[in-house]
Amino acid sequence: QSVLTQPPSTSGTPGQRVTISCSGSISNIGSNTINWYQQLPGAAPKLLIYSTNERSSGVPDRFSGSKSGTSASLAISGLQSEDEADYYCATWDDSLNGVLFGGGTKLTVL
Amino acid sequence: QVQLQASGPGLVTPSETLSLTCTVSGGPISGYLWNWIRQPPGKGLEWIGYIYYTGSTNYSPSLKSRVTISVDTSRTQFSLKLSSVTAADTAVYYCARGGGYCRGGTCFSQGILDFWGQGVLVTVSS
Repeated sequence: QSVLTQPPSTSGTPGQRVTISCSGSISNIGSNTINWYQQLPGAAPKLLIYSTNERSSGVPDRFSGSKSGTSASLAISGLQSEDEADYYCATWDDSLNGVLFGGGTKLTVL
Repeated sequence: QVQLQASGPGLVTPSETLSLTCTVSGGPISGYLWNWIRQPPGKGLEWIGYIYYTGSTNYSPSLKSRVTISVDTSRTQFSLKLSSVTAADTAVYYCARGGGYCRGGTCFSQGILDFWGQGVLVTVSS
């Protein structure tokens, strides 16, 4: 069981805006910036958002990240079929002195 | 463009040692934390550990007793050894570059894994 909690799944229709939440604690999200990874089916994870709200190179501005206290969110606006993937939040954990991943959220585009 | 290529046996016998190597190209091995992450079939990502180019390491507490990560800077490679494997260790194993540094035995990072290898499926079975 991950220490970072994400909803297992979410869905939306093309053009819609969806958000994925990630809940942690003071030793991880509360003390560090958050990163988000997108994993397309059969592929390796790809860095999507880093340092809470910075888009990785080539990532469209439809993707945005935010953080408040010990929780973080990934928002995807103007949903497209190619956004269908698994999304993982991750951060540094001061107690672990390593990377902590959320359990992942499967996004389905209806 | 930085590229990582993981390689190693796809089948390991229970109780034996899993050994994988990640070759880095297109960028220096110095100045970064080099990570191993795994993903059991149909499940989420699990961080295994990292090594700094100087040799400083840190491992996940749940795997610490069985994991060794080493680095060969001359070959721009880093390696993973996981001993006493069981079926629960069956997973796709990824290597990834992480931002950060180590000083005086302590490592500092924001956990940003910016380049990933393609992954190697390792099955533990007799």
